[in-house]
Amino acid sequence: AQSVSQHNHHVILSEAASLELGCNYSYGGTVNLFWYVQYPGQHLQLLLKYFSGDPLVKGIKGFEAEFIKSKFSFNLRKPSVQWSDTAEYFCAVNARAPGSARQLTFGSGTQLTVLP
Amino acid sequence: DGGITQSPKYLFRKEGQNVTLSCEQNLNHDAMYWYRQDPGQGLRLIYYSQIVNDFQKGDIAEGYSVSREKKESFPLTVTSAQKNPTAFYLCASSVPTSGNTIYFGEGSWLTVV
Repeated sequence: AQSVSQHNHHVILSEAASLELGCNYSYGGTVNLFWYVQYPGQHLQLLLKYFSGDPLVKGIKGFEAEFIKSKFSFNLRKPSVQWSDTAEYFCAVNARAPGSARQLTFGSGTQLTVLP
Repeated sequence: DGGITQSPKYLFRKEGQNVTLSCEQNLNHDAMYWYRQDPGQGLRLIYYSQIVNDFQKGDIAEGYSVSREKKESFPLTVTSAQKNPTAFYLCASSVPTSGNTIYFGEGSWLTVV
């Protein structure tokens, strides 16, 4: 079974600092990778996704993530965070196989707090 | 507007009572899901349905039941058998052509008192 690890449970940064949130997964096959964000009081929104091609993917609001297959990682980055980036971030992995609809597995989430 | 609508947003239930959470989508997605979100545990899959009149148990199905009589509707019943039902419940849907990208509703808070 696949699993997803987000090692940082809570990250606190000042505005303009750079951000990198770690995500590692365990699955030997082909995967689709996602980052979701949940702003306070709001529903989960898709931030970015990787299916194939360029391993550096860009998402909304200046976020990007890099898929490194050899490291089974899909870390989320942003060069300069803003107070409005305060939210909980979830990494998710979907094994790309027939009938794999139920294989979307989420990490435990990372709470990001950006101090003004 | 297209999207996923969950109701009610907040619900209180007495112990021993069943409660049904509604989920409706007008995205024409084939697959629908119910997740439970608890602090520090991420999202855990309760049930999913890939097509009308068919559904499968997820990782934590005990104490829950679902139905999928219509493509756009996937209600979740939290039964009295669920030992720890107080949680935030998220409904979602997806379509395979988007790589199974899952889109979420706004969630329902269930508190058992």
